[in-house]
Amino acid sequence: SYVLTQPPSVSVAPGQTARISCGGNYIATKSVHWNQQKPGQAPVLVVYNDDDRPSGIPERFSGSKSGNTATLTISRVEAGDEADYYCQVWDGNSDVVVFGGGTKLTVL
Amino acid sequence: EVLLEESGGGLEQPGGSLRLSCAASGFTLSSYDMNWVRQAPGKGLEWISYLKSSGRTRYYADSVEGRFTISRDNAKNLLYLQMDSLRVEDTAVYYCARGVGNYDALDVWGRGTTVTVSS
Repeated sequence: SYVLTQPPSVSVAPGQTARISCGGNYIATKSVHWNQQKPGQAPVLVVYNDDDRPSGIPERFSGSKSGNTATLTISRVEAGDEADYYCQVWDGNSDVVVFGGGTKLTVL
Repeated sequence: EVLLEESGGGLEQPGGSLRLSCAASGFTLSSYDMNWVRQAPGKGLEWISYLKSSGRTRYYADSVEGRFTISRDNAKNLLYLQMDSLRVEDTAVYYCARGVGNYDALDVWGRGTTVTVSS
């Protein structure tokens, strides 16, 4: 089965840039989505199709891909960005949705 | 406003059954692909089921295949998840989520309903 690998945690100071990685075989051939989940709340889509933002999501959130890794970048990090972030793809070989294990972003 | 609201969660014994519902407002369920995703206590997100907008294609995670069934009532604009042969490891918050595009980006999520399986 397809596996997406994320670091368990990332820490960053306010105003700095956070980068959260998501690794997977042949990820370059897949569309990667990113979901943000704050404590006690439902997930929210923040980036879709690698690098598009839904309406209402700040421009500080951006996505990219290189080689076998996709990256969510959060610029000018704010305290309110503290959350768990999950990458997600559709695995067409198995017809399943796959989530990464999630990364906890801590704002120092 | 586009909203999803789950209901039907609760406490059930191992081997029992529950049916979850997901009510959509602000859009027509049958126009979109729909998913169920769950989250065990303190764990990450786990996708469990998908229903294509046509209503004719369903997919399931291996962990629930043969025990759970996704369905839809177009007249009521409701999505369902019938959960049979429940196991302790099915304990989780269950979310319904709308999928968009060719690669199922989940753009609208409900707030979730809690299922506890315990004797």
